[in-house]
Amino acid sequence: EIVLTQSPDFQSVTPKEKVTITCRASQSIGNNLHWYQQKTDQSPKLLIKYASQSISGVPSRFSGSGSGTDFTLTINSLEAEDAAVYFCHQSSSLPYTFGQGTKLEIK
Amino acid sequence: QVHLVQSGGGLLKPGGSLMLSCAASGFTFSDYYMSWIRQAPGKGLEWVSYISPDGAKNYADSVRGRFTISRDNAKNSLYLQMNSLRADDTAVYYCVRGHLSSTYWGQGTLVTVSS
Repeated sequence: EIVLTQSPDFQSVTPKEKVTITCRASQSIGNNLHWYQQKTDQSPKLLIKYASQSISGVPSRFSGSGSGTDFTLTINSLEAEDAAVYFCHQSSSLPYTFGQGTKLEIK
Repeated sequence: QVHLVQSGGGLLKPGGSLMLSCAASGFTFSDYYMSWIRQAPGKGLEWVSYISPDGAKNYADSVRGRFTISRDNAKNSLYLQMNSLRADDTAVYYCVRGHLSSTYWGQGTLVTVSS
């Protein structure tokens, strides 16, 4: 099973800051890495697919990069509405797995 | 517009059974893989199972042999039959379109297994 490890687990940031969340895979997964945002009491929302592909309707301040084992989600100019838990997810091999989540708090 | 409307959650005793349903609309259901993903209270996400358009299935080790995924393309519906439920099956279960990256998720349904 591929283990995804996110860092940090928690981050408290101020609006307009730039935020970087990393996801490291226990083995190479190519670009089969996706990022989700989950707000309290809501279903997850896809932000980025295949490491860096943008999703229609997702603000352009969200971007992704990486390949192999190391991936990054970047949020430029953070907004208050970005308070949420962010998960990475690999679909390279079964069982599909998720990172443990990064909770983003807005100061 | 794509909609995935789930039903069937509840409170069960260990060893009990339950079927979750997911009614799909707004897309050609028979063309898509469908999945179930769950989230234990306050925890992360766990892939449970998927089914292909023609019925090929895969399961997480934690549920294999106890859960059965199925679909009725004529009714645009996805199901998850859960048997021999355990306390660690307690979670919100999400119906998801696709099996890789997933844009469309149901609203989630809570399954609680407790004596």
